Amino acid sequence: NAGVTQTPKFQVLKTGQSMTLQCAQDMNHEYMSWYRQDPGMGLRLIHYSVGAGITDQGEVPNGYNVSRSTTEDFPLRLLSAAPSQTSVYFCASSSSSGQIDEQYFGPGTRLTVT
Amino acid sequence: LAKTTQPISMDSYEGQEVNITCSHNNIATNDYITWYQQFPSQGPRFIIQGYKTKVTNEVASLFIPADRKSSTLSLPRVSLSDTAVYYCLGLSNSGYALNFGKGTSLLVTP
Repeated sequence: NAGVTQTPKFQVLKTGQSMTLQCAQDMNHEYMSWYRQDPGMGLRLIHYSVGAGITDQGEVPNGYNVSRSTTEDFPLRLLSAAPSQTSVYFCASSSSSGQIDEQYFGPGTRLTVT
Repeated sequence: LAKTTQPISMDSYEGQEVNITCSHNNIATNDYITWYQQFPSQGPRFIIQGYKTKVTNEVASLFIPADRKSSTLSLPRVSLSDTAVYYCLGLSNSGYALNFGKGTSLLVTP
């Protein structure tokens, strides 16, 4: 199993551009989520999904959209990039939505917005 | 979510045992203490979880006293590759967000 994969690994955007960060998992996990991590900070939840067709907002959802059309994929869309969205983005999945279930994280996407 | 407090950083030499203590005074009855490890430029990785007493796996041990207001992650005989940030979380099955906080940055030197 590849686990959780994320593409791209690195991305530079100009202010106002849009893009999609890809996340896929091959573990048949129902629960998937997106976090951002700023330098010297912990991870903050952006959006999450408890199954195909179901998404909800986390702690910092503004400026981001998600959709979940399949169990495997959970893309994160930046609508109009801003410098404040410069961060490292991690996608995670787990077999259920319970917090205590082990979360599997992807390797991250480093995004710089200039 | 239980609010947890842990040291910002710790230093250790190779081969030593490292104990990282986490305080969680308001831990709820349904909360489990869970530790994640994050290496530089990687996503966090689950390492151990417990409810009370002691849990041990191939990576670490977790000690939780009877009052559950604190816990200690123990890493036996650390190596350079144990240099990472360690996060202590109080988790239950209600809610979705994992509040990672800033964690404890462990530096292991020769």
